[in-house]
Amino acid sequence: NAGVMQNPRHLVRRRGQEARLRCSPMKGHSHVYWYRQLPEEGLKFMVYLQKENIIDESGMPKERFSAEFPKEGPSILRIQQVVRGDSAAYFCASSPRQSDTGELFFGEGSRLTVL
Amino acid sequence: AQTVTQSQPEMSVQEAETVTLSCTYDTSENNYYLFWYKQPPSRQMILVIRQEAYKQQNATENRFSVNFQKAAKSFSLKISDSQLGDTAMYFCAFPQGGSEKLVFGKGMKLTVNP
Repeated sequence: NAGVMQNPRHLVRRRGQEARLRCSPMKGHSHVYWYRQLPEEGLKFMVYLQKENIIDESGMPKERFSAEFPKEGPSILRIQQVVRGDSAAYFCASSPRQSDTGELFFGEGSRLTVL
Repeated sequence: AQTVTQSQPEMSVQEAETVTLSCTYDTSENNYYLFWYKQPPSRQMILVIRQEAYKQQNATENRFSVNFQKAAKSFSLKISDSQLGDTAMYFCAFPQGGSEKLVFGKGMKLTVNP
C-alpha cells in the first residue's frame, strides 16, 4: 500500500514563474492537507480539501496561492508569480476521513527554491 | 489561540542514553490528541507516538514513551536507549479545534552521537 506520494521532490523556479506541486493521497484516503515548512520552523497549515471541495483554506495566503483536489487525479498546490519568500518545503498529508484523532499520514515533501 | 511550545531548540546525547524532549501547549479543548512527529534528514514526517488526553495512562511505543501532565499542559517525549537512527528533528503537535488542522511546535533537533 503506497504512502502519500508527492512530486516533484525538488523544484527550482525563477521569480515570477509558476510552481505546481502534486500530491496523491494514500489509497482509500479522501482528505488531503497541505502544510508549509519554512527553514528552521515547524509545519504551518495551509489548506484542507476533500474531493472537489475546499474545506478549510484559512492558512492559505490571500494571493497567488490556490489548491484543488479534483474528482480524478492528484491534489495540486499552485503558486503563481513566485517570490523568494515562497522558498520552503511543502508537505501533503492525507487521512481516510474526518476523525477526531488528528492523525495524518505525510508525504516526503516538495522543496521549492525560488531564485 | 492554540499554541505549542518546544523550548529546547537542540540537544545532543550519546548512543544508549535516555533523553527527554519537552513540549507545552495551550488549548481550551477538553478531549484531544497529542502527537510527536519525527523528521529525519530525509525530511519525511513520521509519527512517533500519540497520546489521548482523556486517558491517564501514558502512551508507550517500544523505546518511546510520553509523560503527559494534562493539568500542566505538558507533553514530553522520552527516548530510551538512544540509537543513531533517532537523530532527527522532533515536533510536538495537536489538532486545532478537534479537527485535523495540526498545530506544530518549532521543533527540536536531536543528535545521537556514537
